[in-house]
Amino acid sequence: GNSVTQMEGPVTLSEEAFLTINCTYTATGYPSLFWYVQYPGEGLQLLLKATKADDKGSNKGFEATYRKETTSFHLEKGSVQVSDSAVYFCALSEGAGGTSYGKLTFGQGTILTVHP
Amino acid sequence: GAVVSQHPSWVICKSGTSVKIECRSLDFQATTMFWYRQFPKQSLMLMATSNEGSKATYEQGVEKDKFLINHASLTLSTLTVTSAHPEDSSFYICSARDDRTFHSGNTIYFGEGSWLTVV
Repeated sequence: GNSVTQMEGPVTLSEEAFLTINCTYTATGYPSLFWYVQYPGEGLQLLLKATKADDKGSNKGFEATYRKETTSFHLEKGSVQVSDSAVYFCALSEGAGGTSYGKLTFGQGTILTVHP
Repeated sequence: GAVVSQHPSWVICKSGTSVKIECRSLDFQATTMFWYRQFPKQSLMLMATSNEGSKATYEQGVEKDKFLINHASLTLSTLTVTSAHPEDSSFYICSARDDRTFHSGNTIYFGEGSWLTVV
């Protein structure tokens, strides 16, 4: 079956530091990959996604590249802010459209805390 | 603003009672919606896939008689936790798949989630 493994947290950084959260996956076929962010007490917000190999998803300074050869989708940001403090989830969905799309397998989540 | 509305956001119920959570797509049709459960400080686990006009598909280990799912229209799915017990206390969150982008990579929208506490 499908699975997603994220680096264990929590991650604590100072403002303007560089962020990397590792994510690797196992899946059959060609999944779509996502990063979601969850702020305290809230639901999930899509941060970025990539639907095929070598695609780079980016949003709000965050980036992640779909690496099929290493089955990875690591999240990076060059300079984090206090407002980036949240829980980050890596996830995958089968395919890039159609009936299987949207059924997400999530990683365990990584808590990020950014200090001023 | 939110494109998927989930209600209620918070609910407290007594053991043995049932509680219904609604997931509504606000400006698109969603033939398929998904229900997840999240335990404190843990990841989200898919409970079931809700399909309009047909029975929900439950993941292994999820009791279909306890977690009743009804997808009555193209914009509404409901999850009813029957005979709730304290161990059912959790964060429940739904997502809806936008029918307009079925083949090109559907856009998935999450609701805000519902906190259920059973006392």
